[in-house]
Amino acid sequence: GAVVSQHPSWVICKSGTSVKIECRSLDFQATTMFWYRQFPKQSLMLMATSNEGSKATYEQGVEKDKFLINHASLTLSTLTVTSAHPEDSSFYICSAPPGLLSNEQFFGPGTRLTVL
Amino acid sequence: DAKTTQPTSMDCAEGRAANLPCNHSTISGNEYVYWYRQIHSQGPQYIIHGLKNNETNEMASLIITEDRKSSTLILPHATLRDTAVYYCIVRVRRDDKIIFGKGTRLHILP
Repeated sequence: GAVVSQHPSWVICKSGTSVKIECRSLDFQATTMFWYRQFPKQSLMLMATSNEGSKATYEQGVEKDKFLINHASLTLSTLTVTSAHPEDSSFYICSAPPGLLSNEQFFGPGTRLTVL
Repeated sequence: DAKTTQPTSMDCAEGRAANLPCNHSTISGNEYVYWYRQIHSQGPQYIIHGLKNNETNEMASLIITEDRKSSTLILPHATLRDTAVYYCIVRVRRDDKIIFGKGTRLHILP
């Protein structure tokens, strides 16, 4: 079946630095990808919709200048957490609908970000 | 906001059928019912979806009431590996963004 990967699977960084997370569709093309954030013991919260070749659409309350999204190709979307702070520590998950390949959306395995 | 309501948690004995209910009383005629689950520290996994008819696949069965206002996900023979949070979601298209509710935390008891 279709597979979505994320890199890195976990990252620890210092406060004030920027961190880039990659989301790749491995055997299908995805014009749209979605980014979620999940705090411990909470549900997934949709952050933004990543659109290939155009600007991302952010959900209400998500700072677009802090969470930069780039969807440069049909198989890659990146989320950059800029000037990270401890409160940005979270589990970040991406998903992609594989179009005609399936009726479902495929989710990446997630990236655990810890900001010290 | 999520359009579904689910119990916060449920327990089920290993080997028994796990029946997870979901209410979606405001579902529109063109909205599908989807179920996903998330095992701890992993990305969500698709389980099953349906529109009106009951559906079955290798993982589970989905029973949708005739008025479509509620549904039940059935895991026929629960194992310890089925311990997860189960999310019931309604949406129109497969490429629509997914808005997750709080889901049901299912504990499978040995």
